[in-house]
Order: sequence, then C-alpha cells, then structure tokens
Amino acid sequence: KQEVTQIPAALSVPEGENLVLNCSFTDSAIYNLQWFRQDPGKGLTSLLLIQSSQREQTSGRLNASLDKSSGRSTLYIAASQPGDSATYLCAVKRAGNMLTFGGGTRLMVKP
Amino acid sequence: DAGVIQSPRHEVTEMGQEVTLRCKPISGHDYLFWYRQTMMRGLELLIYFNNNVPIDDSGMPEDRFSAKMPNASFSTLKIQPSEPRDSAVYFCASSPPDGRAQETQYFGPGTRLLVL
Repeated sequence: KQEVTQIPAALSVPEGENLVLNCSFTDSAIYNLQWFRQDPGKGLTSLLLIQSSQREQTSGRLNASLDKSSGRSTLYIAASQPGDSATYLCAVKRAGNMLTFGGGTRLMVKP
Repeated sequence: DAGVIQSPRHEVTEMGQEVTLRCKPISGHDYLFWYRQTMMRGLELLIYFNNNVPIDDSGMPEDRFSAKMPNASFSTLKIQPSEPRDSAVYFCASSPPDGRAQETQYFGPGTRLLVL
C-alpha cells in the first residue's frame, strides 16, 4: 500500500527566505507526483506536476524535484512571500488514475 | 469553464439525518472523485467513477455512505444515517481521460459538513 509522508507538518519563516518542503513515498511505481496548494476553507490547486520520467519542474519561484528510486520529492520556494502562506500537499498518482496524498505542510510566511 | 461545482458549501445537520452532497464535474472530464478531509486522517479517496461507472469504492467507510453518478454532469454522495464522526470537508474532483501522465485532478471548493 502506497504511503506518502510530508515533513515538516508545519513551518514558519520570515518573508524573503528560501525554503524546502519534503515529501516521501513508499512505492516507486508511480505515474507522476504533484504538488498542490490549499488555502484555508478552499479546495486544492495544482502547482506542479512531475511525470515519472522527469526529474524536476519549475513554475516561477517554485521548483519541484523527483527522485523515484529513493521515493522522494522536494518543493523549493524561492524568496517566500506572505501570500505563499497555505498548506502544501504532495500526491502520487498510481494505477487507476488514483491519487494518494501526504498529510501536508502548513506554511506561514511572516511579513 | 466554471470549474468543479459543489453544493451545498456548508451543511449542518443532526445525527441520524440523511445528508446529500452534490457535484458537477468539468465538462468533458471522464473521471470523478469523492474525497474526505479531516484533521486526523488527512485527505482520503472515498470513491471514483469513470464514464459514470463506479470503479473503486474501497475507501467508502461503511454502508451508510453511497455515491451515484446518473450522468456525466452530476454526482451525489449520500450519508444515511449521518453520525458526528462524519463531520469533515468533502471534496469532489474531476480529471480528463486517463493514459496521460501529465493530467491532474481539478478540485471543487468542498462541502463542510457538521453533524451534531
């Protein structure tokens, strides 16, 4: 059974700091790995999707990497801003188009 | 497109009552998913449909939960009878046809359910 773990569960940083969120998964047989953002009281929004054959994806200040062999992914946020405050979830896509989610990292960026 | 639409956005009910949650997926999407999110258990997949047919319902907690998709533009998740431990946020998501690793799921805003 696929298990996805995210560390840390919560993170508080001052504005402008670069930060890394971690995600690990137990079964490397995945189609892709995705990072989502969830704002309080809202649904999930996809940020980055890395296919299993890829190593990383970038979007603006966000960069996500994938190491399938070690079962790890990182989400790097450069020059953090208060507007980045949210919960970040990683999810791996497995057979049958199903996603398994990690528990999320709750990020607070202080002005 | 308006995205995935869920109703109601909030629901407060008493234990034992029937609760029906509704979802309209994005037009053209073949897959529809129902998730439940709680502080204790995180985001869990309850059931998903492909072309209106239930494919995997192994996440449905018990017989009190049922889901239907009578057509490509509408799905319901019903809880009968409801219990306080069913209190959670229920999300509906949809995605385009499978087979392409680059496709993601699009989530609705969720229904916040409180069972007293």
